Amino acid sequence: EPEVTQTPSHQVTQMGQEVILRCVPISNHLYFYWYRQILGQKVEFLVSFYNNEISEKSEIFDDQFSVERPDGSNFTLKIRSTKLEDSAMYFCASSEVSGTDGGYPEAFFGQGTRLTVV
Amino acid sequence: RKEVEQDPGPFNVPEGATVAFNCTYSNSASQSFFWYRQDCRKEPKLLMSVYSSGNEDGRFTAQLNRASQYISLLIRDSKLSDSATYLCVVNVYNFNKFYFGSGTKLNVKP
Repeated sequence: EPEVTQTPSHQVTQMGQEVILRCVPISNHLYFYWYRQILGQKVEFLVSFYNNEISEKSEIFDDQFSVERPDGSNFTLKIRSTKLEDSAMYFCASSEVSGTDGGYPEAFFGQGTRLTVV
Repeated sequence: RKEVEQDPGPFNVPEGATVAFNCTYSNSASQSFFWYRQDCRKEPKLLMSVYSSGNEDGRFTAQLNRASQYISLLIRDSKLSDSATYLCVVNVYNFNKFYFGSGTKLNVKP
């Protein structure tokens, strides 16, 4: 069964350092997302990406964040200068363009990258 | 007001019990609805989409009430393996993002 894969599974970084989280979405999917989940809290939307550009972003996704699709398969999230409060589980997700019920289709999530900023 | 609201629980039920969760959403333009489950420190996994007419998948039944803006999930004959957090997820038409509820925790006990 196709799945979204993320690397690394765990990243520890020093405050102020740049990190790049990597994702390989499901191959025929065209919408890509990054979400994060701070320990004990709900899953929060960061950004969606379609047709090689940001489609929607949240207030969390400030100038410290950027996304890129450098080739036909990878989708990356970069945090330029990490802060302690960036420590969270980061989930990548992807979905098809249209769903079976005429609405938006389901999103499938990767296993996540646990980012710890020290 | 939160986009999606859920009772955080926990719901503690014995094996074999029937349990129901509700979720309300605030945006009447919401188009697509889903239930995900999330195990501790794992990714959300799609349990089922929720269709306008309601739908069933084995022991799981999902219902949508657009007039009242709520979604429900019914689990029959609960198994120990059903213990997880159940996330209500809503997608608003033309907005490329999914809104998550904070989840309802279910503990199924022997």
